[in-house]
Parts: sequence; C-alpha cells; structure tokens
Amino acid sequence: KQEVTQIPAALSVPEGENLVLNCSFTDSAIYNLQWFRQDPGKGLTSLLLIQSSQREQTSGRLNASLDKSSGRSTLYIAASQPGDSATYLCPNFGNEKLTFGTGTRLTIIP
Amino acid sequence: NAGVTQTPKFQVLKTGQSMTLQCAQDMNHEYMSWYRQDPGMGLRLIHYSVGAGITDQGEVPNGYNVSRSTTEDFPLRLLSAAPSQTSVYFCASSPSLGYGYTFGSGTRLTVV
Repeated sequence: KQEVTQIPAALSVPEGENLVLNCSFTDSAIYNLQWFRQDPGKGLTSLLLIQSSQREQTSGRLNASLDKSSGRSTLYIAASQPGDSATYLCPNFGNEKLTFGTGTRLTIIP
Repeated sequence: NAGVTQTPKFQVLKTGQSMTLQCAQDMNHEYMSWYRQDPGMGLRLIHYSVGAGITDQGEVPNGYNVSRSTTEDFPLRLLSAAPSQTSVYFCASSPSLGYGYTFGSGTRLTVV
C-alpha cells in the first residue's frame, strides 16, 4: 500500500529564511508529482507539477525536485514570507488515485 | 473563472437524512474524484470517475454513491447520513489520471 510521509510535521521559521520540506513514498513507482498548499479552512492550491520525465520544477521562490530512484521529493522555499504559512501536501499518484500524507504545517514568523 | 465548483460550502444534517454534494468543472477534464479530509488524517479517496458513465470506488466508499452522466458534473450522494460522515469533502478533477489535479474549495458537512 502506498504511503506518503512528510517531514517535518510542523515547522516554524523566521521570515526571510530559506527552508526545505521533505516528502517520501513507500512505493518508488512515482508518476507525476504535484505539490499543494492548503490554507486553514480552504481547498488545495496547486504549486508545482513535476512530470514523470522531469527531475525538478521551479516557480518564483519555489523549487521542487523529484528523485524517483529513492522515492523522495523536496520543496525548497526561498526567502520565506508570512504569506507562505500554510500546510503543504505532496500526494503521490498510483493505482488510479492520489495518496496523501498528513502534510507539513509551516508557520513563518514575522 | 475556470475551475472546480462545489456546493454547498457548509451543511448540517440530522442522522439518517440524505443529501447530494454537488461538484462541477468547466475545464473538460475526464477524471473527477471525491475526497474526505478528517483531522489528523490525510485526504482519503471516496469515489472517482475516469469519464462520463464510468465510476469506481476508492478507499472509503461505504455510505456514498456517485454517478457521472456528463463530463462536467460529479455529484456525491449520502444515502443515510451518520455522524462518522462529519468531514470536509473535496472534489478534484484532472485532464487525465495522475496529471495536474484541480481541487474545489470544499464542503464542510456536520452530521448531528
């Protein structure tokens, strides 16, 4: 059964710092990987999509990488801002469904 | 605005009542799915559809029905609501399996 582990479960950092969020999968058969953020009481907002043939994707201050051989993905956030505070999710796709972990709750301290 | 629209946003039901959660997308996506989100747990798949007329069960399908008569709509029916179905429900769509999911804003359901 596919499982997604996100480390750390919670993270608080001062504004301006760079940070890395980690995601690992029990099944290394990873297809496309999509990072999301979820604000409290809201839906999921797509951040980055790494296609199966790619190793990384960048959007502004965000960079996501994918290592299929080890079953790991990282999300790098540069120069963090209070607006980055949210829960970050990296579901894996397999057996016709997305499998979610419980996410990393990020708090940026002004 | 293109996207996934869910209605209602909030709903309170009494045990035993039935209702339908609506989900509509205007992106011509073939794949649609329903998830529920409970505190301390990841989102879990309830039902999904790979195209009009085709549906299948996910991880937690009991107590829910779906149908897909059009590409745009994928309603989720609660047959006889139970307190265990208190949750936040999300609908998602994508142009194909495993690629580029768009989520709705959710329906917060409370069963008393």
